[in-house]
Amino acid sequence: DAGVTQSPTHLIKTRGQQVTLRCSPKSGHDTVSWYQQALGQGPQFIFQYYEEEERQRGNFPDRFSGHQFPNYSSELNVNALLLGDSALYLCASSPGSGKINSPLHFGNGTRLTVT
Amino acid sequence: GQQVMQIPQYQHVQEGEDFTTYCNSSTTLSNIQWYKQRPGGHPVFLIQLVKSGEVKKQKRLTFQFGEAKKNSSLHITATQTTDVGTYFCAGGSNYKLTFGKGTLLTVNP
Repeated sequence: DAGVTQSPTHLIKTRGQQVTLRCSPKSGHDTVSWYQQALGQGPQFIFQYYEEEERQRGNFPDRFSGHQFPNYSSELNVNALLLGDSALYLCASSPGSGKINSPLHFGNGTRLTVT
Repeated sequence: GQQVMQIPQYQHVQEGEDFTTYCNSSTTLSNIQWYKQRPGGHPVFLIQLVKSGEVKKQKRLTFQFGEAKKNSSLHITATQTTDVGTYFCAGGSNYKLTFGKGTLLTVNP
């Protein structure tokens, strides 16, 4: 039973570029949340997708956008990259189905470095 | 917006000593979850507390949820080297979990 998988594991981009990160949820999960974790900090909520729609959004600019596909997988897109976007991006899935705050299953994350 | 604060930020103990981390929310929570992140790893779910005043135990770990549902604690009895990592609390509200900054626990064997 595969857990949450994320790709790529590492990525180096230049300021101003755009990046797409991918996530496949754990089998049986239909809800995907994205978090940004800076070094030494807790994960910061970016947004959550359920039924292919953004259900809740954290305090992140519009440069951060996402998508969920019919098979529940998800993408996180970040445009016009800034140095401050360098972080570990974590995808977490849960058996949401409308339930509030189901426990999250995290992937190993994508380490993004912006130079 | 909602803020979740954790103290202490760091804790170093000798193996066998006890450890406690505290979590405080600026707003009343619908639930609180605890996660553990090993160095270089990802957060792993430990437990969820939902009821006011709830206490749950997992072997040497004891979790409490405050009566006002605004604070929580995690206590580890007789720490072991396998307990090393960062412990995060996460407060639930609507469909969003707000994480604290975590407490990094190191254990000296």
